[in-house]
Amino acid sequence: QSVLTQPPSASGTPGQRVTISCSGSSSNIGGNYVYWYQQLPGTAPKVLIYRNNQRPSGVPDRFSGSKSGTSASLAISGLRSEDEADYYCAAWDDSLSVLFGGGTKLTVL
Amino acid sequence: EVQLVESGGGLVQPGGSLRLSCAASGLTFSSYCMSWVRQAPGKGLEWVANIKQDGSEKYYLDSVKGRFTISRDNAKNSLYLQMNSLRAEDTAIYYCASGRTIGDLYYWGRGTLVTVSS
Repeated sequence: QSVLTQPPSASGTPGQRVTISCSGSSSNIGGNYVYWYQQLPGTAPKVLIYRNNQRPSGVPDRFSGSKSGTSASLAISGLRSEDEADYYCAAWDDSLSVLFGGGTKLTVL
Repeated sequence: EVQLVESGGGLVQPGGSLRLSCAASGLTFSSYCMSWVRQAPGKGLEWVANIKQDGSEKYYLDSVKGRFTISRDNAKNSLYLQMNSLRAEDTAIYYCASGRTIGDLYYWGRGTLVTVSS
């Protein structure tokens, strides 16, 4: 089972907008929902975006998700210091498995 | 409030066995697909296995097939992972997660640490 492809790192200054990409294939992102998770240091992952672009209650609207073809993106606007975390994309794959991206470490400069 | 609480982790020798449990509350357990996801020290997330609402379908990561067994008891609102023939590379924090559909990991527990070492 292969992984989805994310950049290992991203950074921005407070107030900026940053995007994190996630690349897959027709058997995963192309045909199934994409999820995004935030993992703060020393804590469990938390869902940020589900079903491509839906935000759970309590997640600020600064976070948004989109999907096009076999790629997806997470955008964070109005970057804040508390957004410094690891971010993972995930999708069901037609090989009957869940695939995760390798994770992107976001640094707020 | 949905709570998923894992237990059963610990130190085990290579070749040994462990049984992880996940106790669920705050949701209609029998309506949710359940999954196990692990994270090796300093590494990313890796899906391990999942099971449909009624236990009729189960899926596994290739590297754990034949060694790990996922199961659930809807009467006890509990999920299990029986891990046999453990290897050093199975060392990780194991999280349970739940969602409405088979690929949906919406609610997460805090995890339990499994260390495989002699």
